[in-house]
Amino acid sequence: QQQVKQSPQSLIVQKGGISIINCAYENTAFDYFPWYQQFPGKGPALLIAIRPDVSEKKEGRFTISFNKSAKQFSLHIMDSQPGDSATYFCAARGDDKIIFGKGTRLHILP
Amino acid sequence: EAGVAQSPRYKIIEKRQSVAFWCNPISGHATLYWYQQILGQGPKLLIQFQNNGVVDDSQLPKDRFSAERLKGVDSTLKIQPAKLEDSAVYLCASSLVRRGNTIYFGEGSWLTVV
Repeated sequence: QQQVKQSPQSLIVQKGGISIINCAYENTAFDYFPWYQQFPGKGPALLIAIRPDVSEKKEGRFTISFNKSAKQFSLHIMDSQPGDSATYFCAARGDDKIIFGKGTRLHILP
Repeated sequence: EAGVAQSPRYKIIEKRQSVAFWCNPISGHATLYWYQQILGQGPKLLIQFQNNGVVDDSQLPKDRFSAERLKGVDSTLKIQPAKLEDSAVYLCASSLVRRGNTIYFGEGSWLTVV
């Protein structure tokens, strides 16, 4: 139950396209769902986050869509740029702990 | 504002040797975390401190790993004896409060056990 399943493992998108990463969870007690971005050699950094009482949150080119009944949430990157090439982790908070998915390696083709 | 500082950045040791990693969190952050990130996987929480007390260490292999946070500021993670499967990046992170929405990560300490 304390898992966050993330897909795909890797993703290649053309510059200007839409990148979509999906996550699913089981534990309905999770109360906060952040996405982290990690560049090679760096630690993860918070990108955007959502609470389960909201169905969508948008910050610039990044949007989280949240489906509480399906226990799924996704990250959409609009107008994807080469600088977005990184590893993305979905996560969920429960029992004061942040649990991470396994990550998606995103590569944006120039 | 200075970020989370970690050292050393890179370490190569032989199996059965010991290693220690140091972390200095963001000033004023009460909660400190140590995560293990194996190549190709997401960070896994090893231990979480609130000030200098342990909140969660359920996934810390206590037969070989130990951690302390003296005076509620800096922290040290030790591995003794190291195994090949301990090769990973050890990420220290901190947050302002226990249920803080933002966890700030350091750049990590890369450990290779040969």
